[in-house]
Amino acid sequence: GESVGLHLPTLSVQEGDNSIINCAYSNSASDYFIWYKQESGKGPQFIIDIRSNMDKRQGQRVTVLLNKTVKHLSLQIAATQPGDSAVYFCAEVSNDYKLSFGAGTTVTVRA
Amino acid sequence: DVKVTQSSRYLVKRTGEKVFLECVQDMDHENMFWYRQDPGLGLRLIYFSYDVKMKEKGDIPEGYSVSREKKERFSLILESASTNQTSMYLCASSTNPPGTLGGYTFGSGTRLTVV
Repeated sequence: GESVGLHLPTLSVQEGDNSIINCAYSNSASDYFIWYKQESGKGPQFIIDIRSNMDKRQGQRVTVLLNKTVKHLSLQIAATQPGDSAVYFCAEVSNDYKLSFGAGTTVTVRA
Repeated sequence: DVKVTQSSRYLVKRTGEKVFLECVQDMDHENMFWYRQDPGLGLRLIYFSYDVKMKEKGDIPEGYSVSREKKERFSLILESASTNQTSMYLCASSTNPPGTLGGYTFGSGTRLTVV
């Protein structure tokens, strides 16, 4: 079946540096992608989304890039802060509105 | 602030018990979903619903059923709880189609332990 995956299960980053979290997807028919942040003991929290007719979308300190040619999605976090420590998931939305998630990347911010 | 509320944060149940997990959303969303989350496996879809009184199986429906009698409430039922159903359960809702108001909204989760 189709799957969404993240390249690395863990990422350690120095406070103040930029973080890049990568995700590969396999369903070329997907037209909507979402990044979520999940802190310990909490449900996933929406960060940013992007549609397949876009290559880039920016939010507050976050940027999502979509490369449809290689089916790759990335989340960039600028000036990473301790509060950014969490598990990050990418998800793709299928035609019947179901989300498919990758296993997640755990980001740890070093002081 | 819009919300998806799951009635319990933590539950401990015995093997063989019938377990009800409740989820309520106040956003008038058409779609509601139940996922379970396990270490190393990410989030897996159990059941979902596009409208009142309708339900669709997700990827791992075995051992579960659902009920949606009202638009705002979606219940997950474990007919006879087993230890392999120990997990974090997450409810979500979305507009139809998703993509407005930030896509899907998740509840805080219910951590169920079956002993």
